[in-house]
Amino acid sequence: NFMLTQPLSVSESPGKTVTISCTRSNGRIDSKFVQWYQQRPASAPTTVIYEDNQRPSGVPDRFAGSIDYSSNSASLTVSGLRTEDEADYYCQSYDNTNSWVFGGGTKLTVL
Amino acid sequence: QITLKESGPTLVKPTQTLTLTCTFSGFSLSTGGVGVGWIRQPPGKALEWLAVIYWDGDKRYSPSLNNRLTITKDTSKNQVVLTMTNMDPVDTATYYCAHRPGRKWTLFWGQGTLVTVSS
Repeated sequence: NFMLTQPLSVSESPGKTVTISCTRSNGRIDSKFVQWYQQRPASAPTTVIYEDNQRPSGVPDRFAGSIDYSSNSASLTVSGLRTEDEADYYCQSYDNTNSWVFGGGTKLTVL
Repeated sequence: QITLKESGPTLVKPTQTLTLTCTFSGFSLSTGGVGVGWIRQPPGKALEWLAVIYWDGDKRYSPSLNNRLTITKDTSKNQVVLTMTNMDPVDTATYYCAHRPGRKWTLFWGQGTLVTVSS
């Protein structure tokens, strides 16, 4: 199996751009899709990116997902930061047996 | 519209068995590729995947909790049930169920239910 490692926290000012990484411990990052979930305080997670870089309807295009083969990681980039983007973000993937794997989560603070 | 709702006890005693039910609508667990899983989140901590069951009856469990978990489905009732044995205070968490559609890889989440383990 594998692990997904995220930074504990990131912070940036309103209007700026921030990137959250999600590094896969073993196996290729592009071998399975990566999803990103946003979790605001006292709320259930919601999907902001699925299948590496796809946005569900209703998610603004300020949210973008990408894959970096050189670092074996996925990234979530949020541009034009707003205070409402302040939340915890989790990456998620799955293995060859279709078991699910979650990253440890990143707290995004919009200063 | 896809909806999922978790139900079960809010308080269990140590050593007891927890049974949680996920009741869903807007999709069928008999459709190819579809799955329903359980994820938990202790207060202030990260999400932890527990188990998933797929349309064809295939079941997968977290390796760290494998010997305590059982997941089953009742397609006619649109329900998935998770049982966790030998509950401990460290199992205190919000428990979520989530739906993985067959056509694409994403998750639709329930609202979650808080389970406290205390004597």
